[in-house]
Amino acid sequence: EDQVTQSPEALRLQEGESSSLNCSYTVSGLRGLFWYRQDPGKGPEFLFTLYSAGEEKEKERLKATLTKKESFLHITAPKPEDSATYLCAVQAGSGNTPLVFGKGTRLSVIA
Amino acid sequence: SQTIHQWPATLVQPVGSPLSLECTVEGTSNPNLYWYRQAAGRGLQLLFYSVGIGQISSEVPQNLSASRPQDRQFILSSKKLLLSDSGFYLCAWSRQVKNIQYFGAGTRLSVL
Repeated sequence: EDQVTQSPEALRLQEGESSSLNCSYTVSGLRGLFWYRQDPGKGPEFLFTLYSAGEEKEKERLKATLTKKESFLHITAPKPEDSATYLCAVQAGSGNTPLVFGKGTRLSVIA
Repeated sequence: SQTIHQWPATLVQPVGSPLSLECTVEGTSNPNLYWYRQAAGRGLQLLFYSVGIGQISSEVPQNLSASRPQDRQFILSSKKLLLSDSGFYLCAWSRQVKNIQYFGAGTRLSVL
């Protein structure tokens, strides 16, 4: 069974304090790994897709990396507006296989 | 550009009443469509997905059903709501080739 585990469940940072969120996965044939940001009471917003080990993508203060077993979302010099829940999801197999989501990491950035 | 509409934003329903949540996508054709429920501490649970009109796959047997009467319309229904149906319901779409899912704003359902 495909599984996605995110850690930590919650993270509290001071503004400017860089850190990383972890997403470890167990799938049969990874097709893609996805990162989303979700603000309270809203739908998830797509951030990145990674397809193969060694791949990296960046957007503003966020950088996502991928290995064969896990992905990291690095947050550099975070600001209070980066506070949100970050979700990781994987797609395995082929065709229209649905995504499997982790439970998310709730990030709070304090000014 | 593509947009996804989901309504209503909030809904309070008594136990035993019916449910109909609607989701429509604009700006694309033949999308994959999805219904999720998100409960506190449990993450996103996939309920149904559809790869075409009239084609519905159910991931979790329960008190809910889904229909896709038109290419870009996806409906989540129940004949009789249970207390346990309360939650945050999300609709999403993706292209057939790439599976990046784009989510609607969600419906907060409270069953009392």
